[in-house]
Amino acid sequence: QQQVKQSPQSLIVQKGGISIINCAYENTAFDYFPWYQQFPGKGPALLIAIRPDVSEKKEGRFTISFNKSAKQFSLHIMDSQPGDSATYFCAASPSGGTSYGKLTFGQGTILTVHP
Amino acid sequence: DTAVSQTPKYLVTQMGNDKSIKCEQNLGHDTMYWYKQDSKKFLKIMFSYNNKELIINETVPNRFSPKSPDKAHLNLHINSLELGDSAVYFCASTMTSNYEQYFGPGTRLTVT
Repeated sequence: QQQVKQSPQSLIVQKGGISIINCAYENTAFDYFPWYQQFPGKGPALLIAIRPDVSEKKEGRFTISFNKSAKQFSLHIMDSQPGDSATYFCAASPSGGTSYGKLTFGQGTILTVHP
Repeated sequence: DTAVSQTPKYLVTQMGNDKSIKCEQNLGHDTMYWYKQDSKKFLKIMFSYNNKELIINETVPNRFSPKSPDKAHLNLHINSLELGDSAVYFCASTMTSNYEQYFGPGTRLTVT
């Protein structure tokens, strides 16, 4: 059962454009929502993360928007660059209990930024 | 300096063999994980250890046995390898108080 659904599966954006990737979750116990960036042949790298006490978090060109009532969160990449071309994963985990730190990942989005 | 390292990077072996993957972190973290990434790039948690104690044990065949000799190391031993075990295995680590998980470079296991 897929608890975190990510869309789109792939995304093509022109340089300078905005890339938007969406995720929806089901488990209301989730309260930590990170995004990871993975380049071919490399491990996932933590990009940015949010807790449900805020609706938006921005770090440089990367912004997470969080809608607790809709159980949705999204990643916005402003001024997308060819170097941003990678696979992006959203994830979610609870903060307590025996499932602490158990990240559930979305299916991934392959982002291609054309020069 | 490598934060989370894994050895080997590539592992090619035949069905039925037993193999091990090693992970080390120099971040001072107290929790370590094993994840499996399949051919469709889907990432799924397998195990987690906190201070050498097994915390998370997902529905993984008992041919997979993790071992944590100390907080900085987490190894994964796989017995009687099967074709379906072919995947990329990632180690990750975090501090319990922090949530941020840092991943290693992965070990690509190919079972022929």
